[in-house]
Amino acid sequence: DSGVTQTPKHLITATGQRVTLRCSPRSGDLSVYWYQQSLDQGLQFLIQYYNGEERAKGNILERFSAQQFPDLHSELNLSSLELGDSALYFCASSALAGGPSDTQYFGPGTRLTVL
Amino acid sequence: AQKITQTQPGMFVQEKEAVTLDCTYDTSDPSYGLFWYKQPSSGEMIFLIYQGSYDQQNATEGRYSLNFQKARKSANLVISASQLGDSAMYFCAMRESSTGNQFYFGTGTSLTVIP
Repeated sequence: DSGVTQTPKHLITATGQRVTLRCSPRSGDLSVYWYQQSLDQGLQFLIQYYNGEERAKGNILERFSAQQFPDLHSELNLSSLELGDSALYFCASSALAGGPSDTQYFGPGTRLTVL
Repeated sequence: AQKITQTQPGMFVQEKEAVTLDCTYDTSDPSYGLFWYKQPSSGEMIFLIYQGSYDQQNATEGRYSLNFQKARKSANLVISASQLGDSAMYFCAMRESSTGNQFYFGTGTSLTVIP
């Protein structure tokens, strides 16, 4: 158990809908990262928040948005869902804002299926 | 150029034998960190081991060790005394000091332990 929690574990929805994925980082960690893992694209970095502020942006679509709240939990909002958004979405947390030794610990993931 | 290269898409090992999973990396930054993660079929990403670029000794964590060859830019994961539960995908990752927020992942190696 990494200490990172994600809810829900599974999510099934229809095209065009909007969903929210939730993540709580490990106790003491200030950074939260979001990743998308699909079969054809591997593990894709979406976005990082550090202590409530956006820190880095990866391959995040405009239909997707995220935020980190004062209690450090984070939410990833996915809207106008398409079939291709079906994937495993990971949240990870780390203690610092970055740096070569700043280890990321991953949550169990949310498996999103768009029908 | 790929930052992390894992050239073995699939590997097989006999139970109780040792196995080496290859990882090469590309960076000109003198300060960087190398990480290995395990992803079993259940989906979660489990942090295994970390090696810093300035570490003099190879990292070890239980049955996991990292064969760090700086001049060759390789960071191979060695799993000793393989167990059936080691069957999983294994990802190598890197973080550089100069791009501290970016976590570069390889494409992974699928390890199957044969009884």
